[in-house]
Amino acid sequence: TQLLEQSPQFLSIQEGENLTVYCNSSSVFSSLQWYRQEPGEGPVLLVTVVTGGEVKKLKRLTFQFGDARKDSSLHITAAQPGDTGLYLCAGADNYGQNFVFGPGTRLSVLP
Amino acid sequence: SAVISQKPSRDICQRGTSLTIQCQVDSQVTMMFWYRQQPGQSLTLIATANQGSEATYESGFVIDKFPISRPNLTFSTLTVSNMSPEDSSIYLCSVEDPDKTISGNTIYFGEGSWLTVV
Repeated sequence: TQLLEQSPQFLSIQEGENLTVYCNSSSVFSSLQWYRQEPGEGPVLLVTVVTGGEVKKLKRLTFQFGDARKDSSLHITAAQPGDTGLYLCAGADNYGQNFVFGPGTRLSVLP
Repeated sequence: SAVISQKPSRDICQRGTSLTIQCQVDSQVTMMFWYRQQPGQSLTLIATANQGSEATYESGFVIDKFPISRPNLTFSTLTVSNMSPEDSSIYLCSVEDPDKTISGNTIYFGEGSWLTVV
């Protein structure tokens, strides 16, 4: 069974600070996704990473896929209150038909 | 990408009743999934909705409690039967990216249906 762990579980920071969220597994994934979910809404896809070592940037967000495709990180620069939410990572197995979700990191950015 | 619409977005339900959630996608997709997210928790896969055949349920979920329909490649329903307060959750429809060969294996979510059972 493939499992994903995320750390930290909770994070509360001040506006303007930087932060990194980690997603780790002992399993290899064909791709990994990051989602942000706001209260009462469905998760919204932020990025998909596919290649080991891949780095993708989305404005102030930087995503990295580990070389071995077992882990990923999300770095936010100069966090804003609008970044507040639940950040979920999800990995797809090699067949692309099974998606495993991490437990999530709940981020709160205080003005 | 895919645009997914779910109805209802929210509902308050009486114990013992059943509610059907609808999921409509703007393009034909092979894989459709139903997830449950209990308060403060991550996502748990209920089942994969298969077009033209019975849904494939995950461990701990059964057809009698969560019957699923998938009449075509753009639509599915999930029914939560004989509800109890423990069924209070967000229920999420998701689909595999129809362009997965371009973007890698990715799934998209609807807005969710927030059910509160009283």
